[in-house]
Amino acid sequence: GQQLNQSPQSMFIQEGEDVSMNCTSSSIFNTWLWYKQDPGEGPVLLIALYKAGELTSNGRLTAQFGITRKDSFLNISASIPSDVGIYFCAGHPRVLMNYGGSQGNLIFGKGTKLSVKP
Amino acid sequence: DAGVTQSPTHLIKTRGQHVTLRCSPISGHKSVSWYQQVLGQGPQFIFQYYEKEERGRGNFPDRFSARQFPNYSSELNVNALLLGDSALYLCASSFSGNEQFFGPGTRLTVL
Repeated sequence: GQQLNQSPQSMFIQEGEDVSMNCTSSSIFNTWLWYKQDPGEGPVLLIALYKAGELTSNGRLTAQFGITRKDSFLNISASIPSDVGIYFCAGHPRVLMNYGGSQGNLIFGKGTKLSVKP
Repeated sequence: DAGVTQSPTHLIKTRGQHVTLRCSPISGHKSVSWYQQVLGQGPQFIFQYYEKEERGRGNFPDRFSARQFPNYSSELNVNALLLGDSALYLCASSFSGNEQFFGPGTRLTVL
């Protein structure tokens, strides 16, 4: 089945540092989404991308939809302690839809765990 | 507006039992998707329902079933529970299907 390769698996940050993580796929995706999940909670949507090349910001977060439609990256600028958590990329693979409904099968990466440097 | 709600929060069952998990979507959202998340992994797609019809199914056995009600709430049923079914079960609702908003999940433990 389709998989998303997300890297790095984990990283340690110091307050104020910039953070980058990325996601790649072996197939084309229609949509890329970035989520953050805190322990014991559901994922929270951070940014949604719909077009190849699209660059979107949400506060200190910036994400891009790769030109090839097979990758995406997320940057966090000037990190703060509350940025700690697990970040997931997710996407809708390109499929033909023959009904006027919605495509609900998001494919997720394995996550990038952000921790604070001791 | 209230977000996606799920019940129960936690559940402990024994092997072979049956479980029903419930989800209420965000008001106005007609699509509900179910995901299974095991520890250390990203969520895995189980089902999608749109306008009360199944629109997508992931690679899960027939022991897993779901339905959506006229008010767009949904239930996920799992029969003949196995130890490997222990996971966080997430419900997500969406208006158009692209942006999915997740509930807090139901933590299922199978002993």
